[in-house]
Amino acid sequence: GAVVSQHPSWVICKSGTSVKIECRSLDFQATTMFWYRQFPKQSLMLMATSNEGSKATYEQGVEKDKFLINHASLTLSTLTVTSAHPEDSSFYICSARDQAGVPYNEQFFGPGTRLTVL
Amino acid sequence: TQLLEQSPQFLSIQEGENLTVYCNSSSVFSSLQWYRQEPGEGPVLLVTVVTGGEVKKLKRLTFQFGDARKDSSLHITAAQPGDTGLYLCAGEDFGNEKLTFGTGTRLTIIP
Repeated sequence: GAVVSQHPSWVICKSGTSVKIECRSLDFQATTMFWYRQFPKQSLMLMATSNEGSKATYEQGVEKDKFLINHASLTLSTLTVTSAHPEDSSFYICSARDQAGVPYNEQFFGPGTRLTVL
Repeated sequence: TQLLEQSPQFLSIQEGENLTVYCNSSSVFSSLQWYRQEPGEGPVLLVTVVTGGEVKKLKRLTFQFGDARKDSSLHITAAQPGDTGLYLCAGEDFGNEKLTFGTGTRLTIIP
């Protein structure tokens, strides 16, 4: 159980275009999902917390107009990188918290999406 | 901002040796989790420790949560090449859904 998928697994786009990444919890409902960014050989940096049916909460320094997050259902959150530029190239990872029966914040991670902006 | 410092940052040892990875903070956490991440993949949860002083074992891996819930350690016995990866600790704050991730330890086990 507790499987999280991401799509696409990798994407290459031209500078100035927008890219949408999907994160799905496959076998559980997740009222809360998280979006992280990871640079090569570094740890995970939390970008935002996505709550079903409400606006996402962004971490300090993360541009909410650039990284649009939508959490329209209990199993799907999307991250759209708008007007992407080469500096947005990174490994983006989502996670979801299985609310049922777990008293502490265990998060289950998707396989990640590698974005390359040319 | 809470910080979780992991040490060592890099570790390369021979197959069969033992090793310990440390995760330290000045902050108290309600729980602490350990993940392993392989290149190009998302982190995989290994264990969650909740109680101060708690010890959990997962085959050859032993995890301990400090008495004061500010630090944790991961000990691997008789390391194998399959243990190679990036090990990440992550602390959960009280009443906060966010996890603070450690700086990471990149482990390489040489056959």
